[in-house]
Amino acid sequence: DQQVKQNSPSLSVQEGRISILNCDYTNSMFDYFLWYKKYPAEGPTFLISISSIKDKNEDGRFTVFLNKSAKHLSLHIVPSQPGDSAVYFCAATDAGGTSYGKLTFGQGTILTVHP
Amino acid sequence: SQTIHQWPATLVQPVGSPLSLECTVEGTSNPNLYWYRQAAGRGLQLLFYSVGIGQISSEVPQNLSASRPQDRQFILSSKKLLLSDSGFYLCAWGATGGGPFFGPGTRLTVL
Repeated sequence: DQQVKQNSPSLSVQEGRISILNCDYTNSMFDYFLWYKKYPAEGPTFLISISSIKDKNEDGRFTVFLNKSAKHLSLHIVPSQPGDSAVYFCAATDAGGTSYGKLTFGQGTILTVHP
Repeated sequence: SQTIHQWPATLVQPVGSPLSLECTVEGTSNPNLYWYRQAAGRGLQLLFYSVGIGQISSEVPQNLSASRPQDRQFILSSKKLLLSDSGFYLCAWGATGGGPFFGPGTRLTVL
């Protein structure tokens, strides 16, 4: 049972435009959500997170939106840059804020930003 | 600042051979530690986690085991590797307010 799903395997965006990566979850116990960026043969790099008590969190060019009723979150990257090209993973946890490491990951979305 | 190390970076092992992957964390005390695996074309799956020395929890039944002999050391082992053990193994440490944070990973190929 895939509790976290990223239904778009890939996304292609022009430099300077907005990239929107989507993620859906089924487990209503999840209360903390994270986005990671991963290059080949490297470990994932933490980008941004959001608690279930919020519906938006912003950090520079990255904004994460959470819609709890729809069990949906999205990552917006504005403006997109060629260096953003990577695999993006959505992750979730139901640890109640005490242990953020036990994550359930989506399958990942390959983002390609064209110059 | 905190740093997480993993070695080796790559490993090619024959089926039936033993395995030992090591992870160490610097700059933090009593961290929660985790082993994840990314199989080819798939997302990351949690294998083991540890909240303290000698405390190991397994998330999925498998051919692997983990140990935590010291506060900031986490080891992933196998007595006899299977072809299905191939993948990218990632150690991570847990923190509140951000992360968790992952190490650089070990690419394991079992032939």
